Amino acid sequence: EIMLTQSPGTLSLSPGERATLSCRASQSVSSSYLAWYQQKPGQAPRLLIYDASSRATGIPDRFSGSGSGTDFTLTISRLEPEDFAVYYCQQYGSSPRTFGQGTKLEIK
Amino acid sequence: QVQLVQSGAEVKKPGASVKVSCKASGYTFTSYGISWLRQAPGQGLEWMGWITAYNGDTNYAQKVQDRVTMTTDTSTTTAYMELRSLRSDDTAVYYCARSYRQRENDYWGQGTLVTVSS
Repeated sequence: EIMLTQSPGTLSLSPGERATLSCRASQSVSSSYLAWYQQKPGQAPRLLIYDASSRATGIPDRFSGSGSGTDFTLTISRLEPEDFAVYYCQQYGSSPRTFGQGTKLEIK
Repeated sequence: QVQLVQSGAEVKKPGASVKVSCKASGYTFTSYGISWLRQAPGQGLEWMGWITAYNGDTNYAQKVQDRVTMTTDTSTTTAYMELRSLRSDDTAVYYCARSYRQRENDYWGQGTLVTVSS
């Protein structure tokens, strides 16, 4: 089973700043099969990024993903008020599919 | 537009079973699979398994494979997840999500809260 470790656990930033979230895998993720999701309180997760760097339908271009192998990054170039939420990474290169524990992005 | 609409909240006693439904619309149901995931209160996301609506093949997480059954009904474009022998640590919000070949989960249901309590 591939374990995903996200860092930091909490990130405190201000609107307009740049956010960099990390996801590290315990072993290489096949074919960069890694996704990022955003979840707001009381809502279902929303797909942001798939295949490590492809934006999902309707996702603003301030969200970008990068990485391969065991190290992946989600970058939000300029934070908007609606971006403050919890972010999860998930690998789908091997079974079982696994998630990171989440990074909470909070307003500073 | 793609929509997944789940059944309502459930309260069950330990040892009972629960069956959650997920009604899909806005796409060709048999061209995709459905993932089932859950989130315990205040916790992260856990993948439970996946079923293809094409022929019903499944892939279950080892943690629940002895207690879970996932099915689909193509006539009503509905997916089902039944979990048996419920325990208190099965208390969670259960989500269905569309997934092509067990890849990313691109559309999600609204979630179904299942509470297990005596």
